[in-house]
Amino acid sequence: AQKVTQAQTEISVVEKEDVTLDCVYETRDTTYYLFWYKQPPSGELVFLIRRNSFDEQNEISGRYSWNFQKSTSSFNFTITASQVVDSAVYFCALSEFPGTALIFGKGTTLSVSS
Amino acid sequence: GAVVSQHPSWVICKSGTSVKIECRSLDFQATTMFWYRQFPKQSLMLMATSNEGSKATYEQGVEKDKFLINHASLTLSTLTVTSAHPEDSSFYICSALEEGGNQPQHFGDGTRLSIL
Repeated sequence: AQKVTQAQTEISVVEKEDVTLDCVYETRDTTYYLFWYKQPPSGELVFLIRRNSFDEQNEISGRYSWNFQKSTSSFNFTITASQVVDSAVYFCALSEFPGTALIFGKGTTLSVSS
Repeated sequence: GAVVSQHPSWVICKSGTSVKIECRSLDFQATTMFWYRQFPKQSLMLMATSNEGSKATYEQGVEKDKFLINHASLTLSTLTVTSAHPEDSSFYICSALEEGGNQPQHFGDGTRLSIL
């Protein structure tokens, strides 16, 4: 069975702090895709990253970075020097094949205060 | 980039009303669209998979007679909540896959449905 676990329900930080959002996944497939989405209060989903199971390179995009560890089935997301605008719910998601629906974790609510 | 338009963005209606939500891919053809539901402070859960020209596939526990899905063209899928009740109040969001089936899915902005 497929499953995505985001153990952190809520995180509160002060601006400029670094914060890491954890994501652990379960799947029996060798080929799969992992995603991170941001959902601001307005509700839309903002795509942040997609990673396939064969690409374990870590990725950095501005203040965002992702650490993919197949050995621990984790795909963690770090925001460096957080800003108030980063406040949102962040979802980690998994799909087993191209063209299939996403399985979402329960989300982590990040609150960044000034 | 690929855009998915979802309409309406907000609906408030009386119990017993049927509500139709449209999901339209604006600049690409989508053979597959997905409908998700999100209750307040919860995750997104897949309701059904909509394939152009065929019947939708519903997830376990989703009533297909209550949530009617039509995917009559490569750019439009509709979700109709029939005889809506307060417990159907939720955030409904669709996504579309470009022909060829590669990820990532393109999400609409969602529809907030409130049934009084």
